[in-house]
Amino acid sequence: NAGVTQTPKFQVLKTGQSMTLQCAQDMNHEYMSWYRQDPGMGLRLIHYSVGAGITDQGEVPNGYNVSRSTTEDFPLRLLSAAPSQTSVYFCASSLGTGGSPLHFGNGTRLTVT
Amino acid sequence: EDQVTQSPEALRLQEGESSSLNCSYTVSGLRGLFWYRQDPGKGPEFLFTLYSAGEEKEKERLKATLTKKESFLHITAPKPEDSATYLCAVQAGTASKLTFGTGTRLQVTL
Repeated sequence: NAGVTQTPKFQVLKTGQSMTLQCAQDMNHEYMSWYRQDPGMGLRLIHYSVGAGITDQGEVPNGYNVSRSTTEDFPLRLLSAAPSQTSVYFCASSLGTGGSPLHFGNGTRLTVT
Repeated sequence: EDQVTQSPEALRLQEGESSSLNCSYTVSGLRGLFWYRQDPGKGPEFLFTLYSAGEEKEKERLKATLTKKESFLHITAPKPEDSATYLCAVQAGTASKLTFGTGTRLQVTL
C-alpha cells in the first residue's frame, strides 16, 4: 500500500517557468489537499478538493492552480514561478469525514531562482 | 479564524527525562485535534486524534490529552529515536481541512 505519492522529490525552477507537482493516493480518499511548509510559518493550506470535479481555495492560493479529474490524482500547477514560491510542498488525503486524519506524502522541495 | 500555538519551539531532553509539549488552540466548533510527528525530509506522520475535552490517548512513550483550550503531548522516558518535530493541528466546523501550529522540535540526547 503506497499511500500518498508525490513527484518529483526535488525541483529547481527559474523565475517565470511553469511546472506541475504530481500527487496520487491509492486509499480511495475523497478529500485531498496541498500544503506548503516554510520555516517559522508551519503548514499552510493552498488548495483542497472534497471529491472528483470539486476544488476550493485554501489560505494561500495565489499563483497556484489545481484540478481533480479522478479520485486518485490531485496535481498542483505553478503557472509562472516566483522566488516566493520556494518551499516544501506536501500533498495530503483523508476519508473526508469529520475527525478523519490527513495522510501526507513525503513532499516536493522546490527552489525558484 | 482558527489559531493553533505550540510551545516550546524547541526542547532538548536527556534520555529518560520526561516532559510535555503544549498546543493551545482557538477554534469554533472543534471536530478534532491531531498530533503528528515529522522527521527531517519526510511528511508528517499521524499519531493521535482527540475529539473532546477529557479524552486521552497513548502510544508507546507518548500520551496525548485534551482540554477545552489546549492539548498536551506527554513524553515519558524518551529515547533518542523520539527526536523529531511534533505538530499539532485542529479541524473545525464542517470542513475537513486542518489548521497547523508551527511545531515543537524535540531533541533527545544520550
